Parts: sequence; C-alpha cells; structure tokens
Amino acid sequence: KAGVTQTPRYLIKTRGQQVTLSCSPISGHRSVSWYQQTPGQGLQFLFEYFSETQRNKGNFPGRFSGRQFSNSRSEMNVSTLELGDSALYLCASSSAGETYEQYFGPGTRLTVT
Amino acid sequence: GENVEQHPSTLSVQEGDSAVIKCTYSDSASNYFPWYKQELGKRPQLIIDIRSNVGEKKDQRIAVTLNKTAKHFSLHITETQPEDSAVYFCAASKGGYQKVTFGTGTKLQVIP
Repeated sequence: KAGVTQTPRYLIKTRGQQVTLSCSPISGHRSVSWYQQTPGQGLQFLFEYFSETQRNKGNFPGRFSGRQFSNSRSEMNVSTLELGDSALYLCASSSAGETYEQYFGPGTRLTVT
Repeated sequence: GENVEQHPSTLSVQEGDSAVIKCTYSDSASNYFPWYKQELGKRPQLIIDIRSNVGEKKDQRIAVTLNKTAKHFSLHITETQPEDSAVYFCAASKGGYQKVTFGTGTKLQVIP
C-alpha cells in the first residue's frame, strides 16, 4: 500500500495570510490526525477526523481548522498566519479499528515570514 | 488532560551498548503506548507499541516494558548500532478517538 502523503512539502507564507495543507491517508484508513511539530514544543495534537467528523481537538486557537472528505483525504487550514505558526505539520492515519497504530506522512514545512 | 514526561532528553551510548528511555504518564485510563523513531528530516515511524494488558513486548533488539501501577513505560534498545541514532518519542493514548499525547523526545546518539 502507498503510505501517507502530504502536499505541499514546503511552503513560505507571510504573516496575515492563510494556508491550506492536504493529507491523503493510507488506502482503507479512515482516521486522520494532525500534529504540529516544533523544536520547542515537540509534537502537539491539533485534531482528529473520522468519517468526515472531527472527533477530538487539541488546544489550538480557532485559526486552526480542518475537514475530511468522503474519500478520507483531509485538509487543515490556518488563517491569519503568525510567525509562531512556523512548524512542521504532520498528519497521521490509522484504520481506527481495534488497532491504534498511526502512520505519519512526510509533513509540510511551513515558514511564516 | 494526559501529560507524558520523557527522560532523558539526550542520550549518548557506545556502539554495542544498551540504551534505555523512560516515560511516565498521568492518565490511568491510557491504554496504548507507542514509540516512534524520527531520523533527521524524516517522518516519525512507529517502531513498537504496547497495550495496557501486556507488561512487556520485544521485537528483535527493541523491547518495551509497562508498569501500570507506577504509570511508567520504557524503551530498551540492546546492541545499539549507529543507525539507531535518531530522536525517539514515547506517547500515550486512550485509543478510540485517537488523541495521542507525545513525550518531548530523546535524542539518541550511538557513537561508533
């Protein structure tokens, strides 16, 4: 099976702009989670989607949002970008059955200037 | 919410020696504990996991132990090799809704 893919891999944006990141899970996986990875804060949970529904959300401001489509692909959006949003954004998919293994995508490196 | 603490933050060992990384968690309802390895510039990769109904699990040179009473779990790597050099993350989850809380990571350096 193909692994988790994310697009774009790199992105440079200016403060105040908005950005949309995309994640395609492993075929058959219905759960997609998003994480922000920074050197100072490590891996922080953003939100998780299953069957187009957000089931859980981390402690991030409302500028961070997401959605999932019927084919399980997911997008996350960050509006009004701040310098502190510069990070590696990772998505992970799992089958959300009895096994909980998550498989990560390569990430999108977002730089806000 | 869940809090996962991980120690040490950096670890240097000689090739062939063992490495141990320890984590504690706060939520007694957590029942799934994965470990991820992240090499420089690459994605985190699941290397081993353990569930709360199991005390120990091994996979070749890697083993994980879990003490539910003390709420701590550890990763053991034996006969370390240079390719084991990476950042290792522990995590805890209550499963189901897939909210996974990660530790802050341990940078392991294996010196040839």
